[in-house]
Amino acid sequence: AQKITQTQPGMFVQEKEAVTLDCTYDTSDPSYGLFWYKQPSSGEMIFLIYQGSYDQQNATEGRYSLNFQKARKSANLVISASQLGDSAMYFCAMRGTNTNAGKSTFGDGTTLTVKP
Amino acid sequence: GAGVSQSPRYKVAKRGQDVALRCDPISGHVSLFWYQQALGQGPEFLTYFQNEAQLDKSGLPSDRFFAERPEGSVSTLKIQRTQQEDSAVYLCASTLALAGPLEQYFGPGTRLTVT
Repeated sequence: AQKITQTQPGMFVQEKEAVTLDCTYDTSDPSYGLFWYKQPSSGEMIFLIYQGSYDQQNATEGRYSLNFQKARKSANLVISASQLGDSAMYFCAMRGTNTNAGKSTFGDGTTLTVKP
Repeated sequence: GAGVSQSPRYKVAKRGQDVALRCDPISGHVSLFWYQQALGQGPEFLTYFQNEAQLDKSGLPSDRFFAERPEGSVSTLKIQRTQQEDSAVYLCASTLALAGPLEQYFGPGTRLTVT
């Protein structure tokens, strides 16, 4: 079974500062992918960043980077230079590549509020 | 269209009614997924298809839920005899293929309210 844990229901950050959103996971799959999505109040799920379990380097996409620590089973999202438009719900998710290749398992999310 | 579309965007049903929710994936996307998202929670997997084949329906909460994708493109999620606990946003997503580092592209969702 797969499990995603996001322990921060809500986070606040000052505009232009960096923030880290925590994500830990558990899986029996030897190979898997980790994803972060943003869900604004409008409801759409927006893909942000992907990390493969065998990737040697941490993924980066613009202001987003993923701090992947495989031994600790953590995949924290770092947002640099926060903007007011970053205020949203953020979900960590994972997909296996074997028996769980199809389904994504999501955490319960973290609500990020960026203060001006 | 450029993205995943879902219809209707909002649906109000009286308890006991049947509903059908439609998903149009991105053209050419092989895999299609349905999720249920309760208020304030993350999406929960319901089922997924590779082309017309339903490969996993382990997340469907009861036999009142049924999904199909007969021609490998458009999919319909049907809920029979709706109950209040079915109230949620139903998200559809598609990917170009089943496996690999491919993100799922999500539709805007259908918000179902059962009264």
